[in-house]
Amino acid sequence: GESVGLHLPTLSVQEGDNSIINCAYSNSASDYFIWYKQESGKGPQFIIDIRSNMDKRQGQRVTVLLNKTVKHLSLQIAATQPGDSAVYFCAERGTYKYIFGTGTRLKVLA
Amino acid sequence: KAGVTQTPRYLIKTRGQQVTLSCSPISGHRSVSWYQQTPGQGLQFLFEYFSETQRNKGNFPGRFSGRQFSNSRSEMNVSTLELGDSALYLCASSAGTVENTEAFFGQGTRLTVV
Repeated sequence: GESVGLHLPTLSVQEGDNSIINCAYSNSASDYFIWYKQESGKGPQFIIDIRSNMDKRQGQRVTVLLNKTVKHLSLQIAATQPGDSAVYFCAERGTYKYIFGTGTRLKVLA
Repeated sequence: KAGVTQTPRYLIKTRGQQVTLSCSPISGHRSVSWYQQTPGQGLQFLFEYFSETQRNKGNFPGRFSGRQFSNSRSEMNVSTLELGDSALYLCASSAGTVENTEAFFGQGTRLTVV
């Protein structure tokens, strides 16, 4: 069946360190992926996306890597800040919908 | 430009009642999707509308329904509410085309069924 999973439910990192959040997807035909950040009491916020014809895409302090061979997606956050504390979801585009992973909670330690 | 607007933000309803939630997408976006978010099930797809037509539907009972108006605003309705319907209901807006599918979410409507 369809599934997008996350390897770690909670990730704790020191402020200033880099964070890496991982995601596995099951549909090898998926052509588009998004990472979202969700803070408490808010809706998911778009962070960065990547199409399947790319291996890497960079934004401001964030990088998404796509490994189609092993169906793996990762989000790297450079110099993690307290404001990065949130739940992060990867999402895989399906037919007129997105399939979401269960989420990883990122905790930034002072 | 304005983001996705969902109303109301919070609702408390009694079992057996029905509820209607509203979503106004980003101006120019023609696709509206609805998701249910619960701690146990995560984000689950309900349905997607594009130009007033439902293009896809998730695995929810018929008590969950939706519609989209000509101005792209969408409503979802849940009839005969059950305790398990308590959740955050999220609406996502996108252009809805193959070339442009970035989806942007509203703040959600927190529904509590008592």
